[in-house]
Amino acid sequence: NAGVTQTPKFRILKIGQSMTLQCTQDMNHNYMYWYRQDPGMGLKLIYYSVGAGITDKGEVPNGYNVSRSIQKTPLRLELAAPSQTSVYFCASSYSALTQETQYFGPGTRLLVL
Amino acid sequence: QKEVEQNSGPLSVPEGAIASLNCTYSDRVSQSFFWYRQYSGKSPELIMSIYSNGDKEDGRFTAQLNKASQYVSLLIRDSQPSDSATYLCASPSEGTSYGKLTFGQGTILTVHP
Repeated sequence: NAGVTQTPKFRILKIGQSMTLQCTQDMNHNYMYWYRQDPGMGLKLIYYSVGAGITDKGEVPNGYNVSRSIQKTPLRLELAAPSQTSVYFCASSYSALTQETQYFGPGTRLLVL
Repeated sequence: QKEVEQNSGPLSVPEGAIASLNCTYSDRVSQSFFWYRQYSGKSPELIMSIYSNGDKEDGRFTAQLNKASQYVSLLIRDSQPSDSATYLCASPSEGTSYGKLTFGQGTILTVHP
């Protein structure tokens, strides 16, 4: 049971390039989330998903797109900008109940130059 | 927009002391709160959750919630160098029924021998 896995661990992009951040969970969780964390800051929600084929915007969705299959939720960056330099965390939980723990992946560090 | 604010850091305490971390929130509807610990370069991990007014203890950790004052705190007794990390306070973004979390900016704790 690997939990939540993310690839790549680190990536450097040039301005205007695109890339996809991968996230997979093997815990049969229904809910999946994408957060970004800027240096010295807390996490901000980009997108979330309540099940396969269902996604919705979070607090900072601009510049990103997501999709969702049962276990995977790739995050797509189109036209990368320096403002997207951040650490991206994927998380999952079984439900959205307030008591439910979110499990985080190891993160992807992205640098846009 | 719901806000979660944490007391400014960084916080430095000697080994064996009590570390006190504080968090205030703007949404009176908030019903639950989570404390995550994040080691440098790692992903957040849940250490405490609290849903009712009062104290909740788990080993060396005590979470305190005061809904009237919109205040939640985390006390770490007998602090150890291994407790050195960033502590993030979080609460569901939309009342009680969704898993979307709003995070505070985090407080860096250093426990020195």
